[in-house]
Amino acid sequence: AQSVTQLGSHVSVSEGALVLLRCNYSSSVPPYLFWYVQYPNQGLQLLLKYTTGATLVKGINGFEAEFKKSETSFHLTKPSAHMSDAAEYFCAVSVGSGNTPLVFGKGTRLSVIA
Amino acid sequence: NAGVTQTPKFRILKIGQSMTLQCTQDMNHNYMYWYRQDPGMGLKLIYYSVGAGITDKGEVPNGYNVSRSTTEDFPLRLELAAPSQTSVYFCASSSQGGGGETQYFGPGTRLLVL
Repeated sequence: AQSVTQLGSHVSVSEGALVLLRCNYSSSVPPYLFWYVQYPNQGLQLLLKYTTGATLVKGINGFEAEFKKSETSFHLTKPSAHMSDAAEYFCAVSVGSGNTPLVFGKGTRLSVIA
Repeated sequence: NAGVTQTPKFRILKIGQSMTLQCTQDMNHNYMYWYRQDPGMGLKLIYYSVGAGITDKGEVPNGYNVSRSTTEDFPLRLELAAPSQTSVYFCASSSQGGGGETQYFGPGTRLLVL
């Protein structure tokens, strides 16, 4: 079965600094990988996803993530943090098709300090 | 296009009471899901449905029931509320299941069982 580990339940960065949120997955077959963002008191919104092809994936709001098979990682980055990026971020993995579920990590709360 | 809508937004239940959490989507998606989100635990799948009349258990189904009589609606029923069911509940939908399909989330229902 697949699983996701997000390193760091809380990350704090200064405005303008690099954002790096870490995600490692476990899967015996090629995975599909997702990052979702949850703003306070809202549902989850897709930031980006990796399915096939280019391993560097660009998403909304200037975020990107790189799929590294050798490291089983899918870390999320943004060159310069904005105050509006403060939210909770979830990494998720899925495999195959049909009824296989989406498995979420425990989430990382990002705080941005002015 | 409203996407995925959930009602109510917030509810307080007494132990042993029952209630139904409503979920509706207007995207004509085949797949629908119910998750619960507990602090620091990410999202756990409760039940899912691959189409009208077809439902299946997820990771944490105990204490819940679902039905899917139409493509649009996927209500979640709590028969005998317990404090352990205090959580935030999210409904989601996707066009297809598994693989690289994006799930679209509702705004959530916050439930407190006292």
